[in-house]
Amino acid sequence: EVLLVESGGGLVQPGGSLRLSCAASGFTFSTYAMHWVRQAPGKGLDYVSAITSNGDTTYYANSVKGRFTISRDNSKNTLYLQMGSLRAEDTAVYYCVKPFPYYSWGQGTLVTVSS
Amino acid sequence: DVVMTQSPLSLPVTLGQPASISCRSSQSLVYSDGNTYLNWFQQRPGQSPRRLIYKVSNRDSGVPDRFSGSGSGTDFTLKISRVEAEDVGVYYCMQGTHWPPGSFGQGTKLEIK
Repeated sequence: EVLLVESGGGLVQPGGSLRLSCAASGFTFSTYAMHWVRQAPGKGLDYVSAITSNGDTTYYANSVKGRFTISRDNSKNTLYLQMGSLRAEDTAVYYCVKPFPYYSWGQGTLVTVSS
Repeated sequence: DVVMTQSPLSLPVTLGQPASISCRSSQSLVYSDGNTYLNWFQQRPGQSPRRLIYKVSNRDSGVPDRFSGSGSGTDFTLKISRVEAEDVGVYYCMQGTHWPPGSFGQGTKLEIK
C-alpha cells in the first residue's frame, strides 16, 4: 500500500523559510516522479512543483519560482520542498502526490505564514 | 497555461437524485498519443483528494459505478446517477495533457439538499 507522510509544516513569519518532507513507502520510490500540490484554506487545488524520478528535471509554478526548491533523496525514500521568502499567500495545506498510476495523496501538512 | 472551468460551483442535490458537473478546458485535451488526460477528483470534508476517473471515463478501483465520466476535446462531464450521503464534498476536474503544469478546475461543492 502506498503511504505518503508529510511533515515540517508550521507557523512561520513572512520572509521566513521552511522545509517540508514527504516520507514515502509501499512502492519503489526511485522509479516515480513526485509532485507537491497545495490548497489554501477554503480554496481549491494548485500545483506547486514536480520532480522526475531521478531528480534531474523539476517544475515550479510561477508563483513559487525562485523561492521554492524541490528535491528528493532516493536512498531515504523522501521528497522535500524547501520554501523561502514565504508570503501570506503561501499559507496552505501542502500535499505530497504520487501521480502514477493512481494519483496517491498524503494527508497534507499545514503551512501558515503570519506575523 | 490551460484554464479549467467548472460549473456549477455549488450543487445542492436531493438524496437518490442524479447530479452532473461540467468541466471545460481552454484548449483541447487530446494528447499527441491520442489519449485525453482528464481526471476527476473527489475531496470529502477533512480528507485528501482521491481520484475517481482518469482519461475521461475510466473509473479507479473501488469507485462506485454510479460515478461516470464523459466528454471529449474541451468539454467534459462527471455524472452521479443517484447521489448518496457519502458523496458530499468537492469535486475537481484536472488536466494532465498539457504538462507542466497540470491544472485543476475551481471545484464544485456537492451538498445534500
